[in-house]
Amino acid sequence: GAVVSQHPSWVICKSGTSVKIECRSLDFQATTMFWYRQFPKQSLMLMATSNEGSKATYEQGVEKDKFLINHASLTLSTLTVTSAHPEDSSFYICSAATQGAGSYGYTFGSGTRLTVV
Amino acid sequence: DAKTTQPPSMDCAEGRAANLPCNHSTISGNEYVYWYRQIHSQGPQYIIHGLKNNETNEMASLIITEDRKSSTLILPHATLRDTAVYYCIVRRIMEYGNKLVFGAGTILRVKS
Repeated sequence: GAVVSQHPSWVICKSGTSVKIECRSLDFQATTMFWYRQFPKQSLMLMATSNEGSKATYEQGVEKDKFLINHASLTLSTLTVTSAHPEDSSFYICSAATQGAGSYGYTFGSGTRLTVV
Repeated sequence: DAKTTQPPSMDCAEGRAANLPCNHSTISGNEYVYWYRQIHSQGPQYIIHGLKNNETNEMASLIITEDRKSSTLILPHATLRDTAVYYCIVRRIMEYGNKLVFGAGTILRVKS
């Protein structure tokens, strides 16, 4: 079945630095990927939709200059948290849309735990 | 996409069936019901989806009422590993790349 690999699984960074998270579709091509953020005891919140070869579409309230998304190939999307601050500490999850009639539509990565100190 | 309503939490004894309800009274004719679950600190996992007929796979069964305004996810023999947050989502299936929006979900605790 469709597999999405997310890396790193956890990262600790200093306040003010940038962190890049990778999301790869291993055995299929994903024209569209999604990035979510999840705070403790809360549901997943969609941050942005990433389309290969074009600019990402951000949800209302998400700062596009802070959360840079690049989807340069059909198997890789990256999320860069720029100038990270402690309030950016969260669980970040990517998802790739799968194609085909009858497809359940989405495969999720295992998530990245970001801690900003 | 139609909104869903789920109870915030449920308990289930190990080995018994877990029945998780979902209300989607505003569902439209071309919208499917999807179920995902999220085990602590992992990405969501697909469980099952359906349009109007009941569905069954190796993980669970999905029962959708005739008027499609509600559904029930059934885990026939719950184990401790089924403890997770279960999300019921309604959306159109045939539009590739449509975003998936999660509600609050139901925390299922399976107890020995």
